[in-house]
Amino acid sequence: GAGVSQSPSNKVTEKGKDVELRCDPISGHTALYWYRQRLGQGLEFLIYFQGNSAPDKSGLPSDRFSAERTGESVSTLTIQRTQQEDSAVYLCASSLRGRDEKLFFGSGTQLSVL
Amino acid sequence: KNEVEQSPQNLTAQEGEFITINCSYSVGISALHWLQQHPGGGIVSLFMLSSGKKKHGRLIATINIQEKHSSLHITASHPRDSAVYICAVRSKGGTSYGKLTFGQGTILTVHP
Repeated sequence: GAGVSQSPSNKVTEKGKDVELRCDPISGHTALYWYRQRLGQGLEFLIYFQGNSAPDKSGLPSDRFSAERTGESVSTLTIQRTQQEDSAVYLCASSLRGRDEKLFFGSGTQLSVL
Repeated sequence: KNEVEQSPQNLTAQEGEFITINCSYSVGISALHWLQQHPGGGIVSLFMLSSGKKKHGRLIATINIQEKHSSLHITASHPRDSAVYICAVRSKGGTSYGKLTFGQGTILTVHP
């Protein structure tokens, strides 16, 4: 597609439920990143995929968070047993080859945990 | 102390003014990014720098690796430049290849 696409754009869920967030990167981009931005705070790195290499999961805040990527296409970020502190905008970005390349961001998923 | 510090945190300007936003970092880096975030959340990558200077339209970004400092300049500012400007760095070495460390952002408001 023309840009990075994320869905849903908004998600409201109850505490304790699982949620799945989807990211479609730009076609041909081998690198994919997930970030989180809590209200009034800066961006936090969550996870990075580069081609078929093992993902860099060093930013995942707990074992309730996981992410998968099918080849060099779609990625899914899953949050199990959601907590109120998980409420944030979850942003996906992709780049052509990864590491020191210009990033292209999706418009984000606003997650609200009630 | 944060690894990435931006100044000022808030900046108000009149249309046409020359604007400078600063970013200082405390670690060795392989690259520095300047990002723009408009109200409503959309983030646009403005520049990726590893040395020297880059220019795009009215925007200029510079980096001094020895001094661990980067600046983003906006010439002839316009109200549509109003946004949050974010500096992010990728640390040199280590195994966390994907991790960017972000500054807290500079909120720019340009009045007509």
